[in-house]
Amino acid sequence: GDQVEQSPSALSLHEGTGSALRCNFTTTMRAVQWFQQNSRGSLINLFYLASGTKENGRLKSTFNSKESYSTLHIRDAQLEDSGTYFCAAEGSGGSNYKLTFGKGTLLTVTP
Amino acid sequence: NAGVIQTPRHKVTGKGQEATLWCEPISGHSAVFWYRQTIVQGLEFLTYFRNQAPIDDSGMPKERFSAQMPNQSHSTLKIQSTQPQDSAVYLCASTGGANTQYFGPGTRLLVL
Repeated sequence: GDQVEQSPSALSLHEGTGSALRCNFTTTMRAVQWFQQNSRGSLINLFYLASGTKENGRLKSTFNSKESYSTLHIRDAQLEDSGTYFCAAEGSGGSNYKLTFGKGTLLTVTP
Repeated sequence: NAGVIQTPRHKVTGKGQEATLWCEPISGHSAVFWYRQTIVQGLEFLTYFRNQAPIDDSGMPKERFSAQMPNQSHSTLKIQSTQPQDSAVYLCASTGGANTQYFGPGTRLLVL
């Protein structure tokens, strides 16, 4: 089965509100990256975490490797936050740093 | 810093033709990764190089796909005898010592 389970698959927010996206991992992961894919298809780096919590503006992400999950919190959503958000995890084995992606969360922010 | 550069941005090939995709990593980055994205399969790992050496090609289809990194400034992904199911966006990423992968804009391949 999938090693990275991302939820929800779609999310609709009104401007100014917030929510959380979550990724569960079925195996131990070394680190997680979060991306936003914009309307042009570019993957924009949001966070890289090997542990703990990071915050950047209206975004905050946590990675708990022991409990095998990561979250991305969005607060005060803006129209430009619309897009597809992906989590991607590095496996813990050896020196292999390939990313395994979740299926993505399609976020729509409405006025 | 121009970021990861991928060329061409779009490519249309006929079934059975060859397609070569190019990636120029961020200067100084030691690892290059190739992924592809389709609606059905999502984002999938194909292969990666570190210091130009192939490390893991476990995601590459066994036939028709090959990748090379002849020097530290570019990598190529070659698909021989393209098939309609090869249609996808092919993404290249590079990383330096911090492990954060930076992605290029992708090459959208359409096989007719």
